Amino acid sequence: AQKITQTQPGMFVQEKEAVTLDCTYDTSDPSYGLFWYKQPSSGEMIFLIYQGSYDQQNATEGRYSLNFQKARKSANLVISASQLGDSAMYFCAMRGPTNAGGTSYGKLTFGQGTILTVHP
Amino acid sequence: DGGITQSPKYLFRKEGQNVTLSCEQNLNHDAMYWYRQDPGQGLRLIYYSQIVNDFQKGDIAEGYSVSREKKESFPLTVTSAQKNPTAFYLCASSTGRGPPHTDTQYFGPGTRLTVL
Repeated sequence: AQKITQTQPGMFVQEKEAVTLDCTYDTSDPSYGLFWYKQPSSGEMIFLIYQGSYDQQNATEGRYSLNFQKARKSANLVISASQLGDSAMYFCAMRGPTNAGGTSYGKLTFGQGTILTVHP
Repeated sequence: DGGITQSPKYLFRKEGQNVTLSCEQNLNHDAMYWYRQDPGQGLRLIYYSQIVNDFQKGDIAEGYSVSREKKESFPLTVTSAQKNPTAFYLCASSTGRGPPHTDTQYFGPGTRLTVL
């Protein structure tokens, strides 16, 4: 079974500073994908960044980067130069290569989320 | 602009009624998904469909039904058998091609269902 753990219920950061949101995962699959999503108060889940288990380099997308430490099973999201619009709930999620037709094939396994608040 | 639309944004249901949530995508994606989110929690998979006319149960399918008659559309019906349907419902889609663990899911804006 896959499990995602986000241990920070809430984080605060000053505008223009960098912030790291923690994510640890557990899986027995050798192949898996790790995803981060942002959920503002409007509710929509916005895809931010993806890291594959065999990717040699950490993923980056603009101000977002993923600090992937495979041996520690961690996939922390780093947001650089925080903006007021970054205030939202952030979810780490995982998807494995499970068999088609099973209940877990389509599933993204989500963590509980971290609420990020950016102060001016 | 390509994207996923969900309607309505807010839905109120009386106990004992069935209601249908709409999900449409124009991303030419093969795979579509329905998730449920309860307050302060992550998402749980209700149903998914990899291709037209085929769909599979997720972790919490009881009390829900779906259909996939068109590639673009994946409506979810919340039946009276669902004992606690008040929640936020999110529809997602992905290309459905390549290994599933590399297949990014993109989400619609969601429907908030409240049972009166």
